[in-house]
Amino acid sequence: KQEVTQIPAALSVPEGENLVLNCSFTDSAIYNLQWFRQDPGKGLTSLLLIQSSQREQTSGRLNASLDKSSGRSTLYIAASQPGDSATYLCAVRHSDWWGGGADGLTFGKGTHLIIQP
Amino acid sequence: DAGVTQSPTHLIKTRGQHVTLRCSPISGHKSVSWYQQVLGQGPQFIFQYYEKEERGRGNFPDRFSARQFPNYSSELNVNALLLGDSALYLCASSPNRGATYEQYFGPGTRLTVT
Repeated sequence: KQEVTQIPAALSVPEGENLVLNCSFTDSAIYNLQWFRQDPGKGLTSLLLIQSSQREQTSGRLNASLDKSSGRSTLYIAASQPGDSATYLCAVRHSDWWGGGADGLTFGKGTHLIIQP
Repeated sequence: DAGVTQSPTHLIKTRGQHVTLRCSPISGHKSVSWYQQVLGQGPQFIFQYYEKEERGRGNFPDRFSARQFPNYSSELNVNALLLGDSALYLCASSPNRGATYEQYFGPGTRLTVT
């Protein structure tokens, strides 16, 4: 059974700092990994999607890396801003099933991030 | 283009009651998945529907059921509500089955069971 762990559970840093969020997963047979942002009481906003064949993806101040063999991913946020305050969720998708079965995401519990002005 | 929509936004029910949550996928998307997110936890996969058939189920009791309609919209039904069913219920749609296709999430329905 796939398990996804995110460290730290919570993080509070001053504005302007660069920071790293960590995600680990127990089963390396994944198809892709996705980072989401969730604001309080809201749905999920996809930030970055990394295919299993890729090592990293970048979008603006965000950079996500994937080391499939070691079961790890990191989300790097550069020059943090108060608007970055949210919960960040990591989720993995298992290898594609063409013959049947579901292909739902397995999520970690998230990292609650607060950026102090 | 409209994203995934869910209704209602909030709902309060009493233990033992039944609830129906609704989801409209992005136009053209044929696959709908449902997730439960309890406060302080990550979302957990409940169901996936594709072409009106159940294609997979997470570790949830039979009190949870769902269906998909010809227009690909979906309903999640929960019978005999328990306090532990209080959660944010998220719907996600994708163009097709398979991990190749990214899932797009709706804003969720907040269910409170008292």
